[in-house]
Amino acid sequence: AQTVTQSQPEMSVQEAETVTLSCTYDTSESDYYLFWYKQPPSRQMILVIRQEAYKQQNATENRFSVNFQKAAKSFSLKISDSQLGDAAMYFCAYRSPDTGANSKLTFGKGITLSVRP
Amino acid sequence: NAGVMQNPRHLVRRRGQEARLRCSPMKGHSHVYWYRQLPEEGLKFMVYLQKENIIDESGMPKERFSAEFPKEGPSILRIQQVVRGDSAAYFCASSQEAGVQETQYFGPGTRLLVL
Repeated sequence: AQTVTQSQPEMSVQEAETVTLSCTYDTSESDYYLFWYKQPPSRQMILVIRQEAYKQQNATENRFSVNFQKAAKSFSLKISDSQLGDAAMYFCAYRSPDTGANSKLTFGKGITLSVRP
Repeated sequence: NAGVMQNPRHLVRRRGQEARLRCSPMKGHSHVYWYRQLPEEGLKFMVYLQKENIIDESGMPKERFSAEFPKEGPSILRIQQVVRGDSAAYFCASSQEAGVQETQYFGPGTRLLVL
């Protein structure tokens, strides 16, 4: 079974600075998908970014980018130019490429990010 | 295009009552997933359904919990004889397909409080 680990329960960043959130995972599969979801105080789950394991290029979405290290099974999220609205819980998630019964998401425990004005 | 809809947003039940949580997937989506989030925890998978079929219920408790996704209408997660430990946020996600381009889009969740 796949597992996702987010070992930092909390992080803080100064507004306009850069912060990196860590995530590691364990799997025996060679192809899979990785995601970062954001959960603000409203508790709505919002997709931030996704990465396909077969792609060597790291995914980017505006101020959000990932550092995907497949050999190390590491998938960190970098937030540049942090804004107050970035304050939220961030969850790393794994999904098998299989269809059917293996298509569920496996989440880490999350990390609470606070942004200091 | 409306997103994933869940209702009610908040639900209060007394121990022993039944809870029914509804999820309407995004238009054009035929795959529905239910997840549960306990306080201070990440989301845990419960069940995956396609129209009229349960594909994977490996995360569902064996007793008191059931789910359906009928041909017409929303997906329903039903919890019978609720206990305090069922208090949690229940999220529904939908996707268009289960293939390689699938992304699951989440609803706003239903917060269940069992008194």
